[in-house]
Amino acid sequence: DQQVKQNSPSLSVQEGRISILNCDYTNSMFDYFLWYKKYPAEGPTFLISISSIKDKNEDGRFTVFLNKSAKHLSLHIVPSQPGDSAVYFCAASANNAGNMLTFGGGTRLMVKP
Amino acid sequence: EADIYQTPRYLVIGTGKKITLECSQTMGHDKMYWYQQDPGMELHLIHYSYGVNSTEKGDLSSESTVSRIRTEHFPLTLESARPSHTSQYLCASSAFKGKGTEAFFGQGTRLTVV
Repeated sequence: DQQVKQNSPSLSVQEGRISILNCDYTNSMFDYFLWYKKYPAEGPTFLISISSIKDKNEDGRFTVFLNKSAKHLSLHIVPSQPGDSAVYFCAASANNAGNMLTFGGGTRLMVKP
Repeated sequence: EADIYQTPRYLVIGTGKKITLECSQTMGHDKMYWYQQDPGMELHLIHYSYGVNSTEKGDLSSESTVSRIRTEHFPLTLESARPSHTSQYLCASSAFKGKGTEAFFGQGTRLTVV
């Protein structure tokens, strides 16, 4: 049973436009959410996170939105750049579960010049 | 920049061989993890540790074993490698940070068993 789902395996966006990556979760105990970026043959790198007490967190071109009632979060990248092309993983953790991270399946973002 | 290192980066090995994948971190993190990822698939947690002498199995069953004798070191061992073990293995570590946990990953080991 997948507790964190990224239903879009891939997304293609034109340079300069907005990229929106979506993530859904089923475990209501999750209280911390993260986005990681992964290039081929490398480990994931942390991008941005959000606590369940917030509904928005912004860091430069990256903004994460959290809708707790819908159990949905999204990552917005604006403006998108070719260097943003990578696989993006959504992850979630629960304080009462030792804060172990549960990952989604990833979304491959391709930003075309 | 994360200070977590995995060796080797790439390994091609024959069936039946014993292998150890190394993972070390210099951040003093108590928690360490091993994830397995097949191409285009999600990351699956196979082992984790809360600290020295603590090891637990993750969500995905794995024939590998781990040890945590020192805080900074979390090696993963396969006693007898098989082609089904071909995958990318990712090590990570984390420290509790406020209400949440940010994990830092190593660069991974791509293992191919022939």
